Amino acid sequence: GIQVEQSPPDLILQEGANSTLRCNFSDSVNNLQWFHQNPWGQLINLFYIPSGTKQNGRLSATTVATERYSLLYISSSQTTDSGVYFCAVFRATSGTYKYIFGTGTRLKVLA
Amino acid sequence: DVKVTQSSRYLVKRTGEKVFLECVQDMDHENMFWYRQDPGLGLRLIYFSYDVKMKEKGDIPEGYSVSREKKERFSLILESASTNQTSMYLCASSPGAGGYEQYFGPGTRLTVT
Repeated sequence: GIQVEQSPPDLILQEGANSTLRCNFSDSVNNLQWFHQNPWGQLINLFYIPSGTKQNGRLSATTVATERYSLLYISSSQTTDSGVYFCAVFRATSGTYKYIFGTGTRLKVLA
Repeated sequence: DVKVTQSSRYLVKRTGEKVFLECVQDMDHENMFWYRQDPGLGLRLIYFSYDVKMKEKGDIPEGYSVSREKKERFSLILESASTNQTSMYLCASSPGAGGYEQYFGPGTRLTVT
């Protein structure tokens, strides 16, 4: 099956710093999502991005489907950005489909 | 905005009890999912449903069953709760043929003692 790997597994930043999180996947996919899991456990949608680049405030994401990776950029980080970031890929084959989650990047932003 | 709600944020049950976790979505989505999340193991799919009364096993269905009698509601049932089912349970929905973006509920943290 498809493997989804995220790096780095852990990241500690000072408030105001920038960071790049990476998601590699081992096979072609139909779509990709980025989530932020807050300290209460809720998964918040960040981006739904099969290819190209999207921006939302201080966050942006780029997926290069042909090279099987996606990047999440966080600029001017804030303490509220702390939590775990997951990418999840979606693949449809022969009438069935599957979502596969990466293992996450745990981010801690220090004041 | 899509809203997915779960019946409880925290739940404590005893070993052997029958446990019902309920999930409701308000966007007429075709697909609904139940995951569990454990430290070091990530999110694992238990069951999903692509239509009313339809269900498919995910990666770890043992010890669980599901029910989808109405489009907006998807229930996860632990027939006889065991301590190894202590976990965070997350429900999600997605539109289906019109799109596959998943939306998650707030989660239920279940403790079985």
